[in-house]
Amino acid sequence: EVQLVQSGAEVKKPGESLKISCKGSGYSFTSHWIGWVRQMPGKGLECMGIIYPGDSDTRYTPSFQGQVTISADKSFSTAYLRWSSLQASDTAIYYCARSVGPTASDAFDIWGQGTIVTVSS
Amino acid sequence: QSVLTQPPSVSGAPGQRVTISCTGSSSDIGAGHDVHWYQQLPGTTPKLLISDDSNRPSGVPDRFSGSKSGTSASLAITGLQAEDEGDYYCQSYDSSLRGRVVFGGGTKLTVL
Repeated sequence: EVQLVQSGAEVKKPGESLKISCKGSGYSFTSHWIGWVRQMPGKGLECMGIIYPGDSDTRYTPSFQGQVTISADKSFSTAYLRWSSLQASDTAIYYCARSVGPTASDAFDIWGQGTIVTVSS
Repeated sequence: QSVLTQPPSVSGAPGQRVTISCTGSSSDIGAGHDVHWYQQLPGTTPKLLISDDSNRPSGVPDRFSGSKSGTSASLAITGLQAEDEGDYYCQSYDSSLRGRVVFGGGTKLTVL
């Protein structure tokens, strides 16, 4: 079965760092883009950026560039999303999603279950 | 503010047909990039509904259809059912700069 399994919910304080993960299985991890999608409470979907694990080609949405770091370790078939200093406004559900094929503009056909991140003092 | 523009809400009675529009620009939909549609039912993860403008993945009822023209795309839902109530998002790709995936702001479908 093709699936993406994300790490568990996190509760952090402002200023703390955080790295969440997304492990792919059941398919060739290096042949599909992985996207990270933010959904703030009661709001819509925003793509933060995408990474191609095969060569680590990473494309950030401008509003997230410099705010987060997207990476992937193909040895572990896992993609990561990292913050160096969280803010309360980072409170959201974060989804990882797999592209159907090897093209950056492909649809996301498989979604992780989501990781809830809560940042509060 | 989303790159792709969708109406915030649409509604329809059971059995009716509704459409949801998605308007982009010359650097995304107008550049020829495919449009994809997702359904997010309350409390669930997004689900791919339509890919590559008009293709239905296996398991998606043929009540759902997609089309594209110029810088816009549309999702049509016929034979509306109560279980269709939820949020719908369009997605495309913006090839300006290094490229990025872009979503619409989402449309809440209410079945009356």
